[in-house]
Amino acid sequence: NAGVTQTPKFQVLKTGQSMTLQCAQDMNHNSMYWYRQDPGMGLRLIYYSASEGTTDKGEVPNGYNVSRLNKREFSLRLESAAPSQTSVYFCASSEGATNEKLFFGSGTQLSVL
Amino acid sequence: QKEVEQDPGPLSVPEGAIVSLNCTYSNSAFQYFMWYRQYSRKGPELLMYTYSSGNKEDGRFTAQVDKSSKYISLFIRDSQPSDSATYLCAMSGGLTGGGNKLTFGTGTQLKVEL
Repeated sequence: NAGVTQTPKFQVLKTGQSMTLQCAQDMNHNSMYWYRQDPGMGLRLIYYSASEGTTDKGEVPNGYNVSRLNKREFSLRLESAAPSQTSVYFCASSEGATNEKLFFGSGTQLSVL
Repeated sequence: QKEVEQDPGPLSVPEGAIVSLNCTYSNSAFQYFMWYRQYSRKGPELLMYTYSSGNKEDGRFTAQVDKSSKYISLFIRDSQPSDSATYLCAMSGGLTGGGNKLTFGTGTQLKVEL
């Protein structure tokens, strides 16, 4: 049972480059999320998708875009990467309308030089 | 002031010790309280989930919520080296949909020594 799968695991970008982080879940969950984790800051919500076909901004959406491709897949795009976006990114999913029980992927470590 | 405060540690204890991890919070609307465990270079995994005040026990783990003091705790009995990880508290107000913002603590790093 794979759960939540993220790719890639590591990525190094130069300032201004673009990239897409991929996420897929096989638990038939309705809601999916993108978080970033920085030292001393905890996990912060970037964007979420409460259900297929909907997306909404979280706490720190600037510089990011998302696409809920279908029920399984939720991608995060950095259009023009900046050093401030160096972080570990986690995708998560939850079953129901209230999202307390999150299941996380193993993360993508992104460095922007 | 952060909505959720958590001592970052690191906390180092001998094998077999009782561990107490704590978070304080300021938002009285929080009703759901969780503890996540995160091993190095891995994603967080849900460890304990409680609603409102009271205690919940699961094996060696006990979660305690005191809403009057805005204080939650996780106790680990008979700690093992495999418990070495970062423990994140998280809480929410229980709104439906993605509007139910989950607020995380910054995590406490625990090391259980042989």
